[in-house]
Amino acid sequence: GQNIDQPTEMTATEGAIVQINCTYQTSGFNGLFWYQQHAGEAPTFLSYNVLDGLEEKGRFSSFLSRSKGYSYLLLKELQMKDSASYLCAVCNTNAGKSTFGDGTTLTVKP
Amino acid sequence: SQTIHQWPATLVQPVGSPLSLECTVEGTSNPNLYWYRQAAGRGLQLLFYSVGIGQISSEVPQNLSASRPQDRQFILSSKKLLLSDSGFYLCAWSLASGANVLTFGAGSRLTVL
Repeated sequence: GQNIDQPTEMTATEGAIVQINCTYQTSGFNGLFWYQQHAGEAPTFLSYNVLDGLEEKGRFSSFLSRSKGYSYLLLKELQMKDSASYLCAVCNTNAGKSTFGDGTTLTVKP
Repeated sequence: SQTIHQWPATLVQPVGSPLSLECTVEGTSNPNLYWYRQAAGRGLQLLFYSVGIGQISSEVPQNLSASRPQDRQFILSSKKLLLSDSGFYLCAWSLASGANVLTFGAGSRLTVL
């Protein structure tokens, strides 16, 4: 089975940097994904790691350590529109199935 | 470009009534297809996935079923809804190989009364 843990809530200030952590235990690994979900909407893909290290995409970066079962999503230069839930998901090797954490609700304050 | 359509967007159904949610994908062939459910304030729970026409795998025991009558069509059904079936249902697709990035439909919000 798979177990994914991430903080329930975080608060940060506009213009700041925030790091959202995710730890996982999995019986098979084919990548770790981060999705953003605004209230009442469907999730959208943000970032993907399959090898150890840092992936950078504009204001968003994601890091993976497979040996530690650990990932984080780093958001820089926070904007009010970044207020959303951030979902960590682990894809196992069977038909690309992804298991999701419960999400971290980020509130960005002025 | 690929697009995914899911409907209806919102529905309110009485306990014991049937359910049919439909999802179609355009612009790709032989996608992996998925149905997820999201309870309020929670993550996504995988209900069904399909790697091809007529191939359905169920992840959790429940009174729901899924079918894939065509390559890019995925249907979620129930014969008799329960109160616990209320939630936000999301259809998604991914490529059959490589990075399995999920692209979601807009979702269907089901309330069972």
